[in-house]
Amino acid sequence: DGGITQSPKYLFRKEGQNVTLSCEQNLNHDAMYWYRQDPGQGLRLIYYSQIVNDFQKGDIAEGYSVSREKKESFPLTVTSAQKNPTAFYLCASSIDLFGGQPQHFGDGTRLSIL
Amino acid sequence: AQSVTQLDSQVPVFEEAPVELRCNYSSSVSVYLFWYVQYPNQGLQLLLKYLSGSTLVKGINGFEAEFNKSQTSFHLRKPSVHISDTAEYFCAVTEYSSASKIIFGSGTRLSIRP
Repeated sequence: DGGITQSPKYLFRKEGQNVTLSCEQNLNHDAMYWYRQDPGQGLRLIYYSQIVNDFQKGDIAEGYSVSREKKESFPLTVTSAQKNPTAFYLCASSIDLFGGQPQHFGDGTRLSIL
Repeated sequence: AQSVTQLDSQVPVFEEAPVELRCNYSSSVSVYLFWYVQYPNQGLQLLLKYLSGSTLVKGINGFEAEFNKSQTSFHLRKPSVHISDTAEYFCAVTEYSSASKIIFGSGTRLSIRP
């Protein structure tokens, strides 16, 4: 079955440490996205990518970085500059960025601070 | 700029009762509208979408929604809920015009009482 795989499911970060969240899709989608979810706030867009080797900042990109070296993969790094990283992180993909295309989501990674 | 308001953060209902989850949007251009469902510790799944045509949209799991352009609303309904419908529900909007970002509402937590 096609889908999006996020790993790990749970991740713990020490102070001053960078951590990388993995997102892989086998849907052959061009567009990929990273969202942060906090209780009662819905989803906020961190970064998105329309095509390989290209990505754009979303609404809350500070303290995060991404890469898109392969169509299937869109890893997110939470850097030490992100002072409040505890959240549920969701990766999504869609066929393209056309507004009518629905997004498909992975099952998320829950990041906590040690 | 577009925005989405989900008017109720929590909706408790009894099993087999009808439910309506309210969603209003704001946009200066035509929009596409979506409802997603999120079960605990999982990603979001598409329930239904409105792109054009009939204003009454049927989705999975017996849910339906009605697009009302004059009231800028897209309320989600189900005539008889089950315990398994306990989840968080997100309304979302994108604009026709561009390779556009999807904007999510803050979510409505539906809790079903036996």
